[in-house]
Amino acid sequence: EAAVTQSPRNKVAVTGGKVTLSCNQTNNHNNMYWYRQDTGHGLRLIHYSYGAGSTEKGDIPDGYKASRPSQENFSLILELATPSQTSVYFCASGDARTYEQYFGPGTRLTVL
Amino acid sequence: GDSVTQTEGPVTVSESESLIINCTYSATSIAYPNLFWYVRYPGEGLQLLLKVITAGQKGSSRGFEATYNKETTSFHLQKASVQESDSAVYYCALGDANTGYQNFYFGKGTSLTVIP
Repeated sequence: EAAVTQSPRNKVAVTGGKVTLSCNQTNNHNNMYWYRQDTGHGLRLIHYSYGAGSTEKGDIPDGYKASRPSQENFSLILELATPSQTSVYFCASGDARTYEQYFGPGTRLTVL
Repeated sequence: GDSVTQTEGPVTVSESESLIINCTYSATSIAYPNLFWYVRYPGEGLQLLLKVITAGQKGSSRGFEATYNKETTSFHLQKASVQESDSAVYYCALGDANTGYQNFYFGKGTSLTVIP
């Protein structure tokens, strides 16, 4: 069964520290996405990727970098974490044929 | 701009009652909008509930249904008789297939609690 997994599921970080959120998909989809969700907001797109080696800015990329070293893996990197980045982060892979996205279970990040 | 507005939660319904969660969209820069309902159960990621990519058509799944109405720019989610297992957060989403990467615009989510 196709799956998207994320690690860690929960993370507490300190202000100014570096945080890396990892995502792995077994769907063999070219497209992958990172979203964040905050209370009072829908999911908002941070970065996305068309395939290995590609990363593109989404709607709210400031303070985040992304890395897509392979078809399966897509990471979100916070070089200098701030409390405003406390949120729940979702990774997804996208099927270009059916227009569907498949989501991971989310990572709850708290920056103190 | 492009956006989605859905029923503000939380919504509480008794088991076997009917449900409607409203969703309206604005697709000013999207020539051919695709519409989706996703559901998030506690502790899990979002799962696709149903989708419709052609205006005027209806999607259905697990007893839920939604009709893509281009005239009213709506995609309301309905179920005739809810069950306790339907308790979850529901997200309406607008997709733009023409961007190549299928950009999604999500509503804020509607938290549904079904009381047995």
